[in-house]
Amino acid sequence: EAQVTQNPRYLITVTGKKLTVTCSQNMNHEYMSWYRQDPGLGLRQIYYSMNVEVTDKGDVPEGYKVSRKEKRNFPLILESPSPNQTSLYFCASSGTGYEQYFGPGTRLTVT
Amino acid sequence: GENVEQHPSTLSVQEGDSAVIKCTYSDSASNYFPWYKQELGKRPQLIIDIRSNVGEKKDQRIAVTLNKTAKHFSLHITETQPEDSAVYFCAASMTDSGNTPLVFGKGTRLSVIA
Repeated sequence: EAQVTQNPRYLITVTGKKLTVTCSQNMNHEYMSWYRQDPGLGLRQIYYSMNVEVTDKGDVPEGYKVSRKEKRNFPLILESPSPNQTSLYFCASSGTGYEQYFGPGTRLTVT
Repeated sequence: GENVEQHPSTLSVQEGDSAVIKCTYSDSASNYFPWYKQELGKRPQLIIDIRSNVGEKKDQRIAVTLNKTAKHFSLHITETQPEDSAVYFCAASMTDSGNTPLVFGKGTRLSVIA
């Protein structure tokens, strides 16, 4: 089944404790992206990747890192999470048809 | 960079009525305009998209129109049903060089009242 997976789905952590949210797609898509969704603000792009080893900042990259060592994986790293990074995070991937396929979301709470 | 404005932020309609959501974009180079539906607790999913060489596209009860000159596009849902209740997002991007970032509007929460 073609899909985008994210792990974990829910995470509660404390300020400053490094965490990684994984994202994987099995559709051989070149383009992958991370968004955060906050009430009233819609979907805001954090980082995106056009292909392996090619990443670029989106609209809200501060406090986040990404890497794209393999085509299928695009992990999101928060090296020192803060409470303002409490949000719902979505990974997405896209192929030649431009439709973005979203993962199920990761709800992160930073206390 | 691209900026997408979406209106209204909330919309309530009676079952069977039509719903219209409008978006404007700022970058005249944008040429791909998708609409995503997000049901409560679910991920966004594409429901329809339009490219700049087309003025209108229909898929059963949903349609999208595009006015390139005015830089706005709209989603039309006819004969609304309770299952149409969701948050709808418009987006814009430029695809001439392959995939480029989608810029989303802030969303419209549609409530269909039975």
